[in-house]
Amino acid sequence: DTEVTQTPKHLVMGMTNKKSLKCEQHMGHRAMYWYKQKAKKPPELMFVYSYEKLSINESVPSRFSPECPNSSLLNLHLHALQPEDSALYLCASSQDAGASTDTQYFGPGTRLTVL
Amino acid sequence: GDSVTQMEGPVTLSEEACLTINCTYTATGYPSLFWYVQYPGEGLQLLLKATKADDKGSNKGFEATYRKETTSFHLEKGSVQVSDSAVYFCALRPNAGKSTFGDGTTLTVKP
Repeated sequence: DTEVTQTPKHLVMGMTNKKSLKCEQHMGHRAMYWYKQKAKKPPELMFVYSYEKLSINESVPSRFSPECPNSSLLNLHLHALQPEDSALYLCASSQDAGASTDTQYFGPGTRLTVL
Repeated sequence: GDSVTQMEGPVTLSEEACLTINCTYTATGYPSLFWYVQYPGEGLQLLLKATKADDKGSNKGFEATYRKETTSFHLEKGSVQVSDSAVYFCALRPNAGKSTFGDGTTLTVKP
């Protein structure tokens, strides 16, 4: 099973709302990632968790708050977002965060619209 | 820093035509190279990968060879189908580093 699942599939929120994106994998992977993808662009790395600890934060604004409750789950908490944060948010996982040969497996994404 | 350059799109082909999408990279050390495909409204799917020089990755009729001497990893397919219409991303991953993606190439295959 090489599946990464993400919920919800679509999310519309106002600028004062608080919402969360969820990601789950059951491949025993120890690295999990959040990416942001704008239309017609490649994914941009936001956060990396390795062994449930935050290892990379790509200078993401504090209105995005990641959380890794356990090795299978990754959340992204959203608060006071701006319309320009509207994008496809992709979760990915891999066996290890440090090995170049390691394949990242991506989920289907959450399409976020901020009004 | 590391970088990946893909041929600019969009690319439009007729069914059964040959496909080549060029990808060149700049990196220190010995990164692994990947091709991902993204169908409309979906996430990225791994298409193929190569982890060292002269390795050939292949999947679903697509092939790419890791050419260290030309720092290239061009994607090829001998006969494309309408179902191959998607965005293709070339990516590299160094040791203990984050992935770098190309800008993506949109392929449209017409019947």
